[in-house]
Amino acid sequence: DGGITQSPKYLFRKEGQNVTLSCEQNLNHDAMYWYRQDPGQGLRLIYYSQIVNDFQKGDIAEGYSVSREKKESFPLTVTSAQKNPTAFYLCASSIVSYNEQFFGPGTRLTVL
Amino acid sequence: AQTVTQSQPEMSVQEAETVTLSCTYDTSESDYYLFWYKQPPSRQMILVIRQEAYKQQNATENRFSVNFQKAAKSFSLKISDSQLGDAAMYFCAAHGNKLVFGAGTILRVKS
Repeated sequence: DGGITQSPKYLFRKEGQNVTLSCEQNLNHDAMYWYRQDPGQGLRLIYYSQIVNDFQKGDIAEGYSVSREKKESFPLTVTSAQKNPTAFYLCASSIVSYNEQFFGPGTRLTVL
Repeated sequence: AQTVTQSQPEMSVQEAETVTLSCTYDTSESDYYLFWYKQPPSRQMILVIRQEAYKQQNATENRFSVNFQKAAKSFSLKISDSQLGDAAMYFCAAHGNKLVFGAGTILRVKS
């Protein structure tokens, strides 16, 4: 089955620790995205990548980092510099920009 | 800058009835796309319907249809014959140079 997987579904970390969220897609999509969703709010773009080895900052990139070494994978690292990291994180992909984005099931990150 | 506004935080509809969710947007792009996404309690984002701005005809997907008013920058979603499974958070989104989401509307369906 083609789709987007995110792991883990729930993640707990202590304050001050870096943590990496996984996102993998087997849809052969060129573009991949990371969003953050806070309770009662819409999605905000953290980073996006339109091609391997290239990525751009979104609206709220501070305290986050990404890599795109393979077309299928776009991991997100939440660093200790992120002031309020507890949130729901969604990864998405699309064939190219402008096309509809397909979303993974999300990761709920809680920083204790 | 692109903005998307959903003015209805919550809506309710009786099963089998029709409901309309409102959305307005603003973009300086001449070519853009509009979407409605559904997020049920599982939190999986599901594409409901898509509209290309250059098309005048309103998009339709089974019980879901849109009223796209380009001059007014309005993009409402109509759900006909509402079902219990339609209960979810609905997000309007606009894609000019990037995809921007509204704050969402919670739809409750009463049996």
